[in-house]
Amino acid sequence: AQTVTQSQPEMSVQEAETVTLSCTYDTSESDYYLFWYKQPPSRQMILVIRQEAYKQQNATENRFSVNFQKAAKSFSLKISDSQLGDAAMYFCAYRIRSGSARQLTFGSGTQLTVLP
Amino acid sequence: DTGVSQDPRHKITKRGQNVTFRCDPISEHNRLYWYRQTLGQGPEFLTYFQNEAQLEKSRLLSDRFSAERPKGSFSTLEIQRTEQGDSAMYLCASSLVPEGYTFGSGTRLTVV
Repeated sequence: AQTVTQSQPEMSVQEAETVTLSCTYDTSESDYYLFWYKQPPSRQMILVIRQEAYKQQNATENRFSVNFQKAAKSFSLKISDSQLGDAAMYFCAYRIRSGSARQLTFGSGTQLTVLP
Repeated sequence: DTGVSQDPRHKITKRGQNVTFRCDPISEHNRLYWYRQTLGQGPEFLTYFQNEAQLEKSRLLSDRFSAERPKGSFSTLEIQRTEQGDSAMYLCASSLVPEGYTFGSGTRLTVV
């Protein structure tokens, strides 16, 4: 079974600074997707960034980038120039790319606080 | 509105009562998912529909839970004989392709 581990229940960062959220996962599959989702107090889960395991290049979306280390099964999220609106719960998630299973497996989340 | 809608946003029920939640996905999305999220945890998969067919069910979906998606449009999740352990947020998501989930804002269930 696949598992996703987020070892940082809480993190804080000063506005305009950079923060890195950690995620590790365990799988025997070689072809999969990894995701970071943001869940603000409004509760709607919003996709931040996605990484395909077959791609060596790390995904980037504006101020958000990932460090994907496939051999180490590590997938960290870097947020640059942090803004007050980045404050939320962040979830790392995994999904196998092919086959009948379609569900996401989530980690337990990291609560990010942005300090003014 | 092109988002995923869930109704109600909050539900308080007495233990032993039945509850039903509704999810309206994005209209062109053929895939629909239900997840359960307890406080301080990530969402856990419950079930998955492709069009009207229920293709995956988690072991979390006990026989007190039933989900339907008639005609491949909206979906309902019913919990019979609710227990305090059922208190959670129930999230619905839809997608056209497996990678592109859009989540709703969830229904928070409190069983007293």
